[in-house]
Amino acid sequence: GENVEQHPSTLSVQEGDSAVIKCTYSDSASNYFPWYKQELGKRPQLIIDIRSNVGEKKDQRIAVTLNKTAKHFSLHITETQPEDSAVYFCAASGGGSNYKLTFGKGTLLTVNP
Amino acid sequence: GAVVSQHPSRVICKSGTSVKIECRSLDFQATTMFWYRQFPKQSLMLMATSNEGSKATYEQGVEKDKFLINHASLTLSTLTVTSAHPEDSSFYICSASSLRAGADTQYFGPGTRLTVL
Repeated sequence: GENVEQHPSTLSVQEGDSAVIKCTYSDSASNYFPWYKQELGKRPQLIIDIRSNVGEKKDQRIAVTLNKTAKHFSLHITETQPEDSAVYFCAASGGGSNYKLTFGKGTLLTVNP
Repeated sequence: GAVVSQHPSRVICKSGTSVKIECRSLDFQATTMFWYRQFPKQSLMLMATSNEGSKATYEQGVEKDKFLINHASLTLSTLTVTSAHPEDSSFYICSASSLRAGADTQYFGPGTRLTVL
């Protein structure tokens, strides 16, 4: 089955700096890669996603890049703000009949004012 | 759009009792619903996948007789934890996907915190 590795497990940045979280996946058939933000005790919220026919996608301060050859994808947050502090999860889906997501272990991002 | 609700948000029960959790897609018809369990400071672990009108597909290591899933309609799935024990205490989260939104995009419910005494 799919295996998703996520690094780092914790990341602390100063407000205004950029944050980068990286993930690798094992199944070359995976073709959908979402990123979720989860605040303590709350539901995971989809913040951006990318499909394998695209190399990069941007939405305001958030961008995701995908390298299919190397089987890795990254989340980039620019001009970080304290409200960006949360746990971020990457995930990969191989499509098929049920579109299961395999999640990384998560990154606790702390943005210091 | 793509709102998923879950009920109850929090439940405390005695060991040996059964607990039912409901997951509803409020503004779309969910092709597929997923049930996850999340322990403190850990990632989401998929328990099972369910499609309306068919039996759920359980992940390896998840007891189907203990975690009963019913997906009676395109907007409702239920998870029943039978004969709950303290080790079943966890945060249970459902998600739903639809063909309209892109079948691989999952929208999550707010979760149910289960505490078994």
